[in-house]
Amino acid sequence: EDQVTQSPEALRLQEGESSSLNCSYTVSGLRGLFWYRQDPGKGPEFLFTLYSAGEEKEKERLKATLTKKESFLHITAPKPEDSATYLCAVQASDDYKLSFGAGTTVTVRA
Amino acid sequence: GAGVSQSPSNKVTEKGKDVELRCDPISGHTALYWYRQSLGQGLEFLIYFQGNSAPDKSGLPSDRFSAERTGGSVSTLTIQRTQQEDSAVYLCASSLGTFDPRYFGPGTRLTVL
Repeated sequence: EDQVTQSPEALRLQEGESSSLNCSYTVSGLRGLFWYRQDPGKGPEFLFTLYSAGEEKEKERLKATLTKKESFLHITAPKPEDSATYLCAVQASDDYKLSFGAGTTVTVRA
Repeated sequence: GAGVSQSPSNKVTEKGKDVELRCDPISGHTALYWYRQSLGQGLEFLIYFQGNSAPDKSGLPSDRFSAERTGGSVSTLTIQRTQQEDSAVYLCASSLGTFDPRYFGPGTRLTVL
């Protein structure tokens, strides 16, 4: 069974204080690893898909990286508007389902 | 372009009543998914549609839950004889294909009193 573990559960940052979120996974053949952002009261918003170890993707202050066992979401010089819950999900190569982690809630203080 | 829309945004019902939740996927997306998100919990997969067919209904929590999709577009999730444990946010997502990113709607918050 696919498993996704995200850490830490919560992260409080000062504006400008860079940090990283971790997503550890076990899957029988990775098709893709997905990162989403979820604001309170809203549905998850798609950020990135990573397909193979060594791949990196960037969007504004966010950078996602992938190894064979984990993915990191780096937040560089965060702003208060980066406050949200960040969700990681994996899809096995022979499955249509996404298995989601519980998320990391990031709070950025001005 | 228009994203995934869901209605109603909020639904309060009494225990034992039936409810219908609606999802309008992104135009052209053949795959549609329903998830449930309870307070403090992760996303729980409920059902998946490819076109109008639901190949996998194994995520539905009980036989009180059913879903259909018509015209390869709009989907309805029906919960019969609602229970308090059904209270959650019900999220719908769609994708071009099963290996493409899912795009989520805003969700329907269901409260069963």
